[in-house]
Amino acid sequence: EDQVTQSPEALRLQEGESSSLNCSYTVSGLRGLFWYRQDPGKGPEFLFTLYSAGEEKEKERLKATLTKKESFLHITAPKPEDSATYLCAVGSGNTGKLIFGQGTTLQVKP
Amino acid sequence: EAQVTQNPRYLITVTGKKLTVTCSQNMNHEYMSWYRQDPGLGLRQIYYSMNVEVTDKGDVPEGYKVSRKEKRNFPLILESPSPNQTSLYFCASSAPGVEQYFGPGTRLTVT
Repeated sequence: EDQVTQSPEALRLQEGESSSLNCSYTVSGLRGLFWYRQDPGKGPEFLFTLYSAGEEKEKERLKATLTKKESFLHITAPKPEDSATYLCAVGSGNTGKLIFGQGTTLQVKP
Repeated sequence: EAQVTQNPRYLITVTGKKLTVTCSQNMNHEYMSWYRQDPGLGLRQIYYSMNVEVTDKGDVPEGYKVSRKEKRNFPLILESPSPNQTSLYFCASSAPGVEQYFGPGTRLTVT
């Protein structure tokens, strides 16, 4: 069964304290791994797509990496405005379906 | 501006009263999808559409209907809403095989 698991569920950091979020997945026929940011009451906002093991992408303080079994979202020197829930999803099969993890809620304190 | 729009954004209704939530995208995307988001359960797919007149069930389709008569629109229909359909609903669209773009959400309460 296709499955996505994110850890930790919640993470509290001090401003400037770097850390990583984990996304483990099992899927038959990976068609992309996607990272989204979601602010309370709003729709998920697309961050990155990774397609193959070894691939990395960066945007400001965020860097996403992919292996055959998991992906990491590294946050370097976070700021309070990085506080949000970060969602990981995998594309499966030919239907365009996305399977989402439960998300990691990040709180960055000044 | 490229976007996915949903209406209404907030809706309070009573059990059994039919309702429709509209979704429209201006990016000429072939793929559209509906999700519901519940605390502790994450985002779950309700229905999706690969193109006009092509729709299929997602993981939680019971109690919902969809139609895709035009490429840009993908309405979600609740024929007889029940309290367990109280949730936050998101519409999304994409080109085939790439990232999906989400609407702002519709918060539905069924009493």
